[in-house]
Amino acid sequence: QLVESGGSVVQPGDSLRLTCVGSGFTFNSFSMNWVRQAPGKGLEWISYISLSSTVIYYADSIRGRFTVSRDNDKNALYLHMDSLRPEDTATYYCARAPTTSNWFDPWGPGTPVTVSA
Amino acid sequence: QFPLIQPASVSGSPGQSITISCNGSRSNIGAYSSVSWYQQHPGKAPKLLLFEVNVRPSGISARFSGSKSGNAAYLTISGLETEDEADYHCSSLTSRSTEVFGTGTTVTVL
Repeated sequence: QLVESGGSVVQPGDSLRLTCVGSGFTFNSFSMNWVRQAPGKGLEWISYISLSSTVIYYADSIRGRFTVSRDNDKNALYLHMDSLRPEDTATYYCARAPTTSNWFDPWGPGTPVTVSA
Repeated sequence: QFPLIQPASVSGSPGQSITISCNGSRSNIGAYSSVSWYQQHPGKAPKLLLFEVNVRPSGISARFSGSKSGNAAYLTISGLETEDEADYHCSSLTSRSTEVFGTGTTVTVL
């Protein structure tokens, strides 16, 4: 099971940190991803982090503004978001992926982020 | 990375079969057998339906099948049921080691 938290209504330029906590599985045996979905739109993959945080990837749309990290001792995944823009408004999902694979299962229920003046 | 292209909507009657296309390029679908499909009901999180083009996770109905040809992937739903009414998303590994999703398809059961 995965559960996200930290979503909120913020103003453009603000920062926000999202958290995803995993349970019921060995958290440090899986890579993790963040995926977002703007209202009424499709899914957008935004970040990947490997088991021990040695490999990290970002989508071009958020590179330089968002930072992914994890704390395996706490079974937690984080997404620190800086310089938020209205186009970052979305539901943010965390999703687990097998070590050497790119499919996402399971997904958390998501946490909503709204960026508006 | 541009999203993979899916039809906005597909519809069918109960019992029929429908196929959803997912069009990419040589840098994603055409380069890897790493295509996944997800089902998403309104207000819910996506759920994995298929991975590696045509592999069903445990618990997924055999009515769902996948294929790939060139730079395109396909999801076929056989014996359409009312519970299949949902949004469907494809995804693929890319040559930049990132993931790209499709534009999403809404399936309507008539």
